[in-house]
Amino acid sequence: AQKVTQAQTEISVVEKEDVTLDCVYETRDTTYYLFWYKQPPSGELVFLIRRNSFDEQNEISGRYSWNFQKSTSSFNFTITASQVVDSAVYFCALSGNRDDKIIFGKGTRLHILP
Amino acid sequence: KAGVTQTPRYLIKTRGQQVTLSCSPISGHRSVSWYQQTPGQGLQFLFEYFSETQRNKGNFPGRFSGRQFSNSRSEMNVSTLELGDSALYLCASSQGPGIPSTDTQYFGPGTRLTVL
Repeated sequence: AQKVTQAQTEISVVEKEDVTLDCVYETRDTTYYLFWYKQPPSGELVFLIRRNSFDEQNEISGRYSWNFQKSTSSFNFTITASQVVDSAVYFCALSGNRDDKIIFGKGTRLHILP
Repeated sequence: KAGVTQTPRYLIKTRGQQVTLSCSPISGHRSVSWYQQTPGQGLQFLFEYFSETQRNKGNFPGRFSGRQFSNSRSEMNVSTLELGDSALYLCASSQGPGIPSTDTQYFGPGTRLTVL
């Protein structure tokens, strides 16, 4: 069975601090895809990144960076120099190649305090 | 380019009633997926439609159904509503088949359904 665990339910940091959101996944698929989504208070999910299981290169996009480690089945997300606008719920998700369905973690609610 | 729109944004129903939610995808997008979000169960995939055909379905009872029209607009129907159906229902569209692995999904703002 596939599973995504986001152990951090809620995190609060002061603006400009760096913060890392953890994501651990379980899958038996050899090919799979990992995602991060942001859900601001408005409710709609915003796609942040997709990573396939064969690409373990870390990725950086502005203040956002992702660390994918197959050895530990983790796909962590770091926000550098956090801003108040980063306050949202962040979801990690997994999709295997066998049934094309997507499984979401429970989400981490991030509060950036001014 | 207009984003994904969902109507209505808020809905209040009573147990036993049925409800229909609507989703208009981004112009040119042919795939629509539906998700249910609740505090207890989190985000769960309901089903996905591409070119008027249901391609995939999550683990939900038959009371949950959907369809897609030739203009790619999609509707989701829930019959015999239960209290546990209270949730935020999100719709997402993508250009090609909405296989999450190959295409970016753009989400709408959701419909907040409350069942009393």
